[in-house]
Amino acid sequence: QKEVEQNSGPLSVPEGAIASLNCTYSDRGSQSFFWYRQYSGKSPELIMSIYSNGDKEDGRFTAQLNKASQYVSLLIRDSQPSDSATYLCAVKARGSNYKLTFGKGTLLTVNP
Amino acid sequence: GAVVSQHPSRVICKSGTSVKIECRSLDFQATTMFWYRQFPKQSLMLMATSNEGSKATYEQGVEKDKFLINHASLTLSTLTVTSAHPEDSSFYICSARDRTGLSNQPQHFGDGTRLSIL
Repeated sequence: QKEVEQNSGPLSVPEGAIASLNCTYSDRGSQSFFWYRQYSGKSPELIMSIYSNGDKEDGRFTAQLNKASQYVSLLIRDSQPSDSATYLCAVKARGSNYKLTFGKGTLLTVNP
Repeated sequence: GAVVSQHPSRVICKSGTSVKIECRSLDFQATTMFWYRQFPKQSLMLMATSNEGSKATYEQGVEKDKFLINHASLTLSTLTVTSAHPEDSSFYICSARDRTGLSNQPQHFGDGTRLSIL
């Protein structure tokens, strides 16, 4: 069974701080990794994608991937109250017909 | 780009009613679309993979006769919840991937349909 694990939180950080969200996955053959943000009552929206080891930066967001440790993380710099949401880690395994396996999500609260 | 439209956004109906939900890719073609269900405070659970021009692939435990999926064109997939009951009340979300993209392209989500069965 392919699994994606996330700390459900809630993770609470003050405005302006760095929020660090973590995700581990069980299938070593996984190839593609995504972070989605989901506001309460809304559908997920893509924040970042990462495919190779290392860091990928996009504005205030940095995704980090370590395939040897089967670990992917998302850093949010200068956190804003509008970043308060549930962050879903999603993993696509090799040969999975494009299917994604989602973690349960981490609830982030940024306090003004 | 990569806009997915889902309709309706909310449905409230009586038990026994069948409900159809549409998912459209507006600016790209999608040979593959996905249907998810999300209960409160739970993660997304994949129900089925919708394949254009062929039968959908259902996940284990999902009744294919209850959740009918039709993917008649490269831009439209529909999910029909037949004879819905209160336990079918949930947030249903579709997603699609661009057929011209690489295999690692992300899925883009519709806005979801909140289904409430009385």
